[in-house]
Amino acid sequence: GAGVSQSPRYKVAKRGQDVALRCDPISGHVSLFWYQQALGQGPEFLTYFQNEAQLDKSGLPSDRFFAERPEGSVSTLKIQRTQQEDSAVYLCASSLVTDIYSGANVLTFGAGSRLTVL
Amino acid sequence: EDQVTQSPEALRLQEGESSSLNCSYTVSGLRGLFWYRQDPGKGPEFLFTLYSAGEEKEKERLKATLTKKESFLHITAPKPEDSATYLCAVNPFGNEKLTFGTGTRLTIIP
Repeated sequence: GAGVSQSPRYKVAKRGQDVALRCDPISGHVSLFWYQQALGQGPEFLTYFQNEAQLDKSGLPSDRFFAERPEGSVSTLKIQRTQQEDSAVYLCASSLVTDIYSGANVLTFGAGSRLTVL
Repeated sequence: EDQVTQSPEALRLQEGESSSLNCSYTVSGLRGLFWYRQDPGKGPEFLFTLYSAGEEKEKERLKATLTKKESFLHITAPKPEDSATYLCAVNPFGNEKLTFGTGTRLTIIP
């Protein structure tokens, strides 16, 4: 697709419910990232995939958070037994390194999934 | 640990009133410094990447500059459509993730 697509855009969950958030990256983008953005804050790194391999999950706040990208394209972020502090916008981004000089990733973000836990 | 601090938190300007946003950073080894724009209800949108001290990049009314400790986003003669939150982020060598600041919320008053 033309951009990074995320679904659902809005999710309301009762405390203790499990949720799954989907990310469809730009076709051909090897790297995929998940970020969490609380209200009025900058995005905080959660996890990173290169193709289907999860290379960094150091930002996942607890073992209730789990991410997968089984075929190296679509990714799912799952949150088990949701808590009120999980309320945030979950942003997915994908990248294709285009700058040979430094290789710094230029991330293209989706619109995010806003999770509200009651 | 990589850190990014942005100031001010919020800035209100009259249309046409130029100003600058600041991004101070500490990073083990800078591979790239990024500026993104974020509109309400949307994901961040890429503006610039800067790689080394002394580098400058421009796009329309925006110009980004970089030193060894900070970056500035200069806005010249802004228009109401420039209203947004501007985010700064750093990417260190040996690490793929970006560390973001909390952003500057810019409001341009017609």
